[in-house]
Amino acid sequence: ETGVTQSPTHLIKTRGQQVTLRCSSQSGHNTVSWYQQALGQGPQFIFQYYREEENGRGNFPPRFSGLQFPNYSSELNVNALELDDSALYLCASSLAGGLSDTQYFGPGTRLTVL
Amino acid sequence: AQSVTQLDSQVPVFEEAPVELRCNYSSSVSVYLFWYVQYPNQGLQLLLKYLSGSTLVKGINGFEAEFNKSQTSFHLRKPSVHISDTAEYFCAVSDSGGFKTIFGAGTRLFVKA
Repeated sequence: ETGVTQSPTHLIKTRGQQVTLRCSSQSGHNTVSWYQQALGQGPQFIFQYYREEENGRGNFPPRFSGLQFPNYSSELNVNALELDDSALYLCASSLAGGLSDTQYFGPGTRLTVL
Repeated sequence: AQSVTQLDSQVPVFEEAPVELRCNYSSSVSVYLFWYVQYPNQGLQLLLKYLSGSTLVKGINGFEAEFNKSQTSFHLRKPSVHISDTAEYFCAVSDSGGFKTIFGAGTRLFVKA
């Protein structure tokens, strides 16, 4: 069983640019959630996808968007980057997305916005 | 609305000593509670979770936590810590009325030799 992987590991962008972060879920996991973890804080829920449809969203603006593909991969896209978007972005996969399901986290992508 | 408060940002402790990491939550409905550990440059790993039933939950690496509904707490304990337990620990809650997991700000456990 392979774990959750994310790419790239690190990324540096400038304000106003767009970025795409990628995640590969565990095989068989139909749900992926994305989190933003600012320095010194806990992860904040961005959104969740279940079988390629968004089925929940946190307090993040529409410039944060996502996609989930049938091959258990997914993307987080952020447009018009702001300095405050600098953070560790984590994806987590789970079997069915239920609130009691165990989430399996990837190692994260560290995004720096200059 | 749900919220999670981890009462200590840092906990230094000597090796082989006991440790307790404190977590309080607020929610108006039934909750599921979790503790995750994050080692440097890694993602979060589930230590244990409370869904229902026995209020004492045992997890991996010798950790356990006790759900106290009246005090809305879910403190994490380990009777004897190792150097390798040095990490960031996150308490999290999700409730039956929502769809997301809320994390606390984390507690940095530093185990000294």
